[in-house]
Amino acid sequence: AQTVTQSQPEMSVQEAETVTLSCTYDTSESDYYLFWYKQPPSRQMILVIRQEAYKQQNATENRFSVNFQKAAKSFSLKISDSQLGDAAMYFCAYRSVPMNRDDKIIFGKGTRLHILP
Amino acid sequence: DGGITQSPKYLFRKEGQNVTLSCEQNLNHDAMYWYRQDPGQGLRLIYYSQIVNDFQKGDIAEGYSVSREKKESFPLTVTSAQKNPTAFYLCASSVRTSGRREQYFGPGTRLTVT
Repeated sequence: AQTVTQSQPEMSVQEAETVTLSCTYDTSESDYYLFWYKQPPSRQMILVIRQEAYKQQNATENRFSVNFQKAAKSFSLKISDSQLGDAAMYFCAYRSVPMNRDDKIIFGKGTRLHILP
Repeated sequence: DGGITQSPKYLFRKEGQNVTLSCEQNLNHDAMYWYRQDPGQGLRLIYYSQIVNDFQKGDIAEGYSVSREKKESFPLTVTSAQKNPTAFYLCASSVRTSGRREQYFGPGTRLTVT
């Protein structure tokens, strides 16, 4: 079974600085999807970024980028120029490619990010 | 506007009563999911459904029940058998075709049982 591990329960970063959130996963599959979700105080889950495992190029969405290391099974999220609105819980998630009856997303336990003004 | 709606946002019940949480989506997604989130914790999967009239137990299905009679709707019933029902409940949906495989989430329902 696949697992997702976020080893940093909490992190803090100064406003305008850069921060990296770590995520590792375990799988025997060769093709899959990885995601980072953000959950602000409103508790609405928001997709931040998506990475397809077959793509070697790291995904980027404005100030958010990932460092995808497939061999190391690592998927870290880098937030550049941190803003107060980035304060949230961040979840790393894994999803298999095959769409069978057991298809579901596996979430990590989350990292709470604090932005210091 | 396409999206997922959950109602109500806050729900209060007395212990021993069953309660049903609503989840509706107009995204034409085949798959739907229910998660439970406790304070400061991650998401735990309760039930999920890939197609109408079929659903699977997640990691913490005991004390919960679901139905999937329509593609758009996936209601969750929290029964009196659920020992600690007070929590935040999130519903999600996703496509089953290749490509955009992420889940879309509703705004959640905060259930308090006293």
